[in-house]
Amino acid sequence: DTGVSQNPRHKITKRGQNVTFRCDPISEHNRLYWYRQTLGQGPEFLTYFQNEAQLEKSRLLSDRFSAERPKGSFSTLEIQRTEQGDSAMYLCASSFGPEAFFGQGTRLTVV
Amino acid sequence: TQLLEQSPQFLSIQEGENLTVYCNSSSVFSSLQWYRQEPGEGPVLLVTVVTGGEVKKLKRLTFQFGDARKDSSLHITAAQPGDTGLYLCAGEHGTSYGKLTFGQGTILTVHP
Repeated sequence: DTGVSQNPRHKITKRGQNVTFRCDPISEHNRLYWYRQTLGQGPEFLTYFQNEAQLEKSRLLSDRFSAERPKGSFSTLEIQRTEQGDSAMYLCASSFGPEAFFGQGTRLTVV
Repeated sequence: TQLLEQSPQFLSIQEGENLTVYCNSSSVFSSLQWYRQEPGEGPVLLVTVVTGGEVKKLKRLTFQFGDARKDSSLHITAAQPGDTGLYLCAGEHGTSYGKLTFGQGTILTVHP
């Protein structure tokens, strides 16, 4: 296993379109997190899964955002009706203990 | 909201100089992690500190966790151009299931 994998690496979409990102965590990790990072800022927590259960969602996660982890393995993050303010780097991380390991991120640009 | 304040926000130094980055909070953390991030990439974990007063060394990097587990520092000795990047501290609270609160980061540039 080579680490956390995210696809696609880059996504350019028109405002109003829906987008979906995928995250494949490190295989033995039961915890999976989504973060969002804008330029010049540290990552901000969006949501957390333990196995297939979504246990916490940030207030940053509006109702246009939905995340799933159907079999407790990979996860998807969908953004509906994208807005320019959604442009950011979306980061996925996984962990089994106190250390979280991040993927390379998906850079979303909404035009 | 538990905030982590990092300072300085920007640091531009010459190769061979030493530097220290600080991470401060009013909250107690069960653990604190330091990451390094390059443009267009995800953060890469450097170290995790969990015990108050703990000091960890990673080659030329020295990490310290404050006695009260509210602050941390990263010291780099004899910086090299390859150290250039965004350094992020991130704290975990004991009941947050590994959720991390990040500082805004320190952009380090080391000039040859």
